[in-house]
Amino acid sequence: QSVLTQPPSVSGAPGQRVTISCTGSSSNIGAGYDVHWYQQLPGTAPKLLIYGNSNRPSGVPDRFSGSKSGTSASLAITGLQAEDEADYYCQSYDSSLGVFGGGTKLTVL
Amino acid sequence: EVQLVESGGGLVKPGGSLRLSCAASGFTFSSYSMNWVRQAPGKGLEWVSSISSSSSYIYYADSVKGRFTISRDNAKNSLYLQMNSLRAEDTAVYYCARAFHWFGEFDYWGQGTLVTVSS
Repeated sequence: QSVLTQPPSVSGAPGQRVTISCTGSSSNIGAGYDVHWYQQLPGTAPKLLIYGNSNRPSGVPDRFSGSKSGTSASLAITGLQAEDEADYYCQSYDSSLGVFGGGTKLTVL
Repeated sequence: EVQLVESGGGLVKPGGSLRLSCAASGFTFSSYSMNWVRQAPGKGLEWVSSISSSSSYIYYADSVKGRFTISRDNAKNSLYLQMNSLRAEDTAVYYCARAFHWFGEFDYWGQGTLVTVSS
């Protein structure tokens, strides 16, 4: 049972838009901690996708965007591509301890 | 180029100990907080421990508190995780990851090292 709740899976056809939610509480996201998102391709280490709720590191396409409101955050992917098929994790802090969401598997149909 | 290279993983019996290392290069190691994150086979990511740039602040997940010890040697650009009283549920790939800001994002990750706890 993860402190941050994500849907186990989402799917979409190429070109479509999908969103992944990350629901927390008043002790983590609602306490003002930033939310960060990671993409993990099969058999590889996680890669930073979004930091500080809505910022993209250099090299991350602008098809990826993040937002935060209250005790929740979300990751949106537009113009879905086959190479986006991966696991996605949100991450924040809870009473100074790191916490991850359970992860969401994105399937590109 | 930023590089984080973990080592020290392997097969250990329940109750045993293991020390993981993470060799850092390509950046000013002493300016970054460092973290250990693990991933059990087929499971999600789990934050394990964080240490601030000067080792002044250290935090552990409840699941490892009292059994694991994080440390760093800024002169050797290295991060360590001493794991004692290992249990089957500690079996995972262990990643080291850096963060510029305390409570910040993990912007670079190592490739991971596999720890298997089994009799």
